[in-house]
Amino acid sequence: EVQLVETGGGLIQPGGSLRLSCAASGFTVSSNYMSWVRQAPGKGLEWVSVIYSGGSTYYADSVKGRFTISRDNSKNTLYLQMNSLRAEDTAVYYCARAIAVAGIWNYWGQGTLVTVSS
Amino acid sequence: DIQMTQSPSSLSASVGDRVTITCQASQDISNYLNWYQQKPGKAPKLLIYDASNLETGVPSRFSGSGSGTDFTFTISSLQPEDIATYYCQQYDNLPNTFGQGTKLEIK
Repeated sequence: EVQLVETGGGLIQPGGSLRLSCAASGFTVSSNYMSWVRQAPGKGLEWVSVIYSGGSTYYADSVKGRFTISRDNSKNTLYLQMNSLRAEDTAVYYCARAIAVAGIWNYWGQGTLVTVSS
Repeated sequence: DIQMTQSPSSLSASVGDRVTITCQASQDISNYLNWYQQKPGKAPKLLIYDASNLETGVPSRFSGSGSGTDFTFTISSLQPEDIATYYCQQYDNLPNTFGQGTKLEIK
């Protein structure tokens, strides 16, 4: 059974750093397209970043230079390192998997809440 | 970035009604368009991919159509469990962009 479990969210002060994890089971992270999508409280969905099976990475302009997507093949886990956090980064962060085509997000985790506030 | 405009932003309908949501892209995206359902407090769920293909396990009352810039999502007979917010999403270009969502309520 495919499962994605995000952890690492919490309350962090502006300017701080946080690393989100997405532990996968039932498939191999390194062989798939994996993404992070976020949702600010009461708002819509915003794509954040993607890592392709070949290792290429891409970011939304709003997080470029501050966030880094990566994976640990030995742990079958996806990460999102978030630096220089801002209030507008407050959101539920979801990891998602595409089975065949990057952009068709077939599986989603339950999300982890990041709150950036002093 | 490609802008996705959904309408309406909210919709109230009765059980058994036919419900239609539209999504317009700011440029031609061929059929690179998905529809997701999100229930309160839950993760989004893929319903339709490539504009008109039903994801495995999704009831056949859900359907999608369109290509280019104009797309339609339809529920043929609304059920109580369909209460949710629905989002379109394009993947023709990065960044993937979503519509603002359509909140569906039971009348």
